[in-house]
Amino acid sequence: AQKVTQAQTEISVVEKEDVTLDCVYETRDTTYYLFWYKQPPSGELVFLIRRNSFDEQNEISGRYSWNFQKSTSSFNFTITASQVVDSAVYFCALMDSNYQLIWGAGTKLIIKP
Amino acid sequence: ETGVTQTPRHLVMGMTNKKSLKCEQHLGHNAMYWYKQSAKKPLELMFVYNFKEQTENNSVPSRFSPECPNSSHLFLHLHTLQPEDSALYLCASSQETVGETQYFGPGTRLLVL
Repeated sequence: AQKVTQAQTEISVVEKEDVTLDCVYETRDTTYYLFWYKQPPSGELVFLIRRNSFDEQNEISGRYSWNFQKSTSSFNFTITASQVVDSAVYFCALMDSNYQLIWGAGTKLIIKP
Repeated sequence: ETGVTQTPRHLVMGMTNKKSLKCEQHLGHNAMYWYKQSAKKPLELMFVYNFKEQTENNSVPSRFSPECPNSSHLFLHLHTLQPEDSALYLCASSQETVGETQYFGPGTRLLVL
């Protein structure tokens, strides 16, 4: 069965700290896609990254970085030098051969000034 | 307008009312989606339209009726809703359905009294 687990329900850090959000997935497919979305209090889901299962290269985009490890079925997200504006709920999602997105429960990230 | 827009942003309705949610995408995409996000629950996919044809209906009650007149517009007609239908309703679009990134609108916060 396909499943996405975000074990961290809520994380609270002080501004400028680094923080890693964990995502573990389960799928039997060899071809699949992984996503991260950010949902600020306004409600809109903002796309952050899409990764396909054949591309294990880590990615960095400014203060954001992603670590994809197929060996552990993980796709973790790190924010470096966090800022108050990073406060949001972050969702990890899996899209497999059924093309539907399977969502994790989300991690609420609180950045304190 | 850019991206995906949704109106209204907030809606309060009684159980006997009939209302409609509107979604419009300005991305030239061919697929559109309705999701329901309730508190403490993962995002639930409701309907998928691909090239104006409904390709997915995830056992949604008939009091929710989607309409997709063209690839840019998607409606969700609501009638005789229940209080448990109160949620954030999110619309999304993607170029195609398979493997493509979904881009979300800001959502409509619905309260059923």
